[in-house]
Amino acid sequence: GAVVSQHPSWVICKSGTSVKIECRSLDFQATTMFWYRQFPKQSLMLMATSNEGSKATYEQGVEKDKFLINHASLTLSTLTVTSAHPEDSSFYICSARAGPNEKLFFGSGTQLSVL
Amino acid sequence: DAKTTQPTSMDCAEGRAANLPCNHSTISGNEYVYWYRQIHSQGPQYIIHGLKNNETNEMASLIITEDRKSSTLILPHATLRDTAVYYCIVRVAGSNTGKLIFGQGTTLQVKP
Repeated sequence: GAVVSQHPSWVICKSGTSVKIECRSLDFQATTMFWYRQFPKQSLMLMATSNEGSKATYEQGVEKDKFLINHASLTLSTLTVTSAHPEDSSFYICSARAGPNEKLFFGSGTQLSVL
Repeated sequence: DAKTTQPTSMDCAEGRAANLPCNHSTISGNEYVYWYRQIHSQGPQYIIHGLKNNETNEMASLIITEDRKSSTLILPHATLRDTAVYYCIVRVAGSNTGKLIFGQGTTLQVKP
């Protein structure tokens, strides 16, 4: 199957700092990428849909100014958690697809811990 | 996208078949059934998907009832590495968004 690489795997940061997470499609061009977050023992919650060359579409209740998404190329999308606070500590997962009829492939996730 | 209902948890003996049910009684004609699984602290892994015919691949089989209101994922010979949370999702293939909305899934515990 297609490979989606997510980096870093884990990050620890101080409260108030910003953290950037990268999601790359390694062997296909991803027209659309999705960002999810997951709290312990809970399911994945969709945060936003990222389309190459256009603004991201955020799900209801997700602050677009706090979770900045950039999808500047067909192989890279980034999620920046701005002014992170302890309640932002979570497992963040990206996914990508090559086209509307294609399956979604997921990255390995990023565990963010904000102290 | 239609909602799905799955049992919260299931156990299966190693080497035996694991049958994971999913109810999607409100599924519409152009919605596919997708199955993903998530092993602890990893991203979800695609397993299989289907529209109305039964499907089989190297990982599993998908049995969809004739009325399409429910389906069963079958892992023919479960191993300890199949212990994971299994998600059944319905979505419209070819839609502009194509996003997957995850429910709570079924936690499958494969026991020796």
